[in-house]
Amino acid sequence: GQNIDQPTEMTATEGAIVQINCTYQTSGFNGLFWYQQHAGEAPTFLSYNVLDGLEEKGRFSSFLSRSKGYSYLLLKELQMKDSASYLCAVRDQNYGQNFVFGPGTRLSVLP
Amino acid sequence: DVKVTQSSRYLVKRTGEKVFLECVQDMDHENMFWYRQDPGLGLRLIYFSYDVKMKEKGDIPEGYSVSREKKERFSLILESASTNQTSMYLCASSFFYEQFFGPGTRLTVL
Repeated sequence: GQNIDQPTEMTATEGAIVQINCTYQTSGFNGLFWYQQHAGEAPTFLSYNVLDGLEEKGRFSSFLSRSKGYSYLLLKELQMKDSASYLCAVRDQNYGQNFVFGPGTRLSVLP
Repeated sequence: DVKVTQSSRYLVKRTGEKVFLECVQDMDHENMFWYRQDPGLGLRLIYFSYDVKMKEKGDIPEGYSVSREKKERFSLILESASTNQTSMYLCASSFFYEQFFGPGTRLTVL
């Protein structure tokens, strides 16, 4: 089966850097995704990793280590609008290429 | 601009009612999905479809059915709503690897 773990809640200060970790166990790994979801809104795509290493996209970066079943999302120069839930999801080729989502990490950015 | 729309943002129904949740995408995507989202549990897959008239069960299909008569439309049906189906329901579509989500329907069953 599949299992994905993330911290439930995190708090950080405006302008700081925060790292949100995600660990996963899956038999047919075929990509790891990060989504951002503001309260009451739909999740929106942030990043995609299928190979080991760091993918950078502006203030957001995502890292993957397939051997460790580990990923993190790094948010730099935090802004108040970054307060949201961050969802880690794994695509599993043994699960019909469907996504398995973690419980999400609710990030609060304080002034 | 990519668009997935859902028929209602908020819905209140009574136990035993039949409930239809509609989802429409304008991106000509083959794949469509229905999830429910509950606090602490994340998104859980109810049903998905890779083509018209095709449907497959996800992790939690009990109490639900789906219909995909046209490529752009994927409907979720609660045959007899129960209070434990109170939740946020999210529809998504995808072409390759990225999933695009609708705004969600918050369903309350009394």
